[in-house]
Amino acid sequence: DAKTTQPTSMDCAEGRAANLPCNHSTISGNEYVYWYRQIHSQGPQYIIHGLKNNETNEMASLIITEDRKSSTLILPHATLRDTAVYYCIVARVSGTASKLTFGTGTRLQVTL
Amino acid sequence: DVKVTQSSRYLVKRTGEKVFLECVQDMDHENMFWYRQDPGLGLRLIYFSYDVKMKEKGDIPEGYSVSREKKERFSLILESASTNQTSMYLCAGGFQPQHFGDGTRLSIL
Repeated sequence: DAKTTQPTSMDCAEGRAANLPCNHSTISGNEYVYWYRQIHSQGPQYIIHGLKNNETNEMASLIITEDRKSSTLILPHATLRDTAVYYCIVARVSGTASKLTFGTGTRLQVTL
Repeated sequence: DVKVTQSSRYLVKRTGEKVFLECVQDMDHENMFWYRQDPGLGLRLIYFSYDVKMKEKGDIPEGYSVSREKKERFSLILESASTNQTSMYLCAGGFQPQHFGDGTRLSIL
C-alpha cells in the first residue's frame, strides 16, 4: 500500500474551515484514500473515503487532485469537538478484506 | 449507526496469564480485525478474519491468537501475556470502511 505524508500538527480557529493536506505520490490506480480521526482515548472514527472524484458527506469534504498524488480533507466549520488526530490512509481494497495502515497523522487543534 | 463493542476499556493482567479480549459487531459483516496502537508506531494489524472460523495473520501476530466462532464475535487471545504486550488494543469490523471500537487499554504487570 502507498505511504502518505501529513503535517505533524495544525491549528484552526473555531468556525473556520480546517483544510488538512495529505501527500500520497505513489498511490496506485486501485487504491482508495481514506480519512479517519481519533479523539483522545477513543477508537478511530471513519470520516470519508474516495477513489478519484471529490466526495462530501455530513462530516467533511474530500478533494483529490486530478493526478491523485495528493488530497485535502475539509471540515467546513470546525468546532472544539473536532480537535483530534486525523489520519490519511491509502489502501487497496481486496476481495476479502481491506488492510488499513495508519501513520502518525495530523494533530488538529481547534481554538476559540 | 454501526457499532463495534469491546468488552473492557481498561484491563490489568499479570505476566504469564492467558488474556482474552472480546469484540462484538452489530453490522452482520464478515470482516473483523484486531490492531494494537503504541505511541510513535501507529496502529499495527495483529490478525483479521473474513468469515466465521477463518483467520489471517496480520503484521505482528507473534504471541497472539484469535477465535471467530460466531459472525458477530471476534476474540483476541494473549497465550502467555508479557510486559511488551502492554498496549491499546483496537477491534474493527466492516469493509470499505472499517469501523472501530473504543479500544481496550491493557496493562501487563
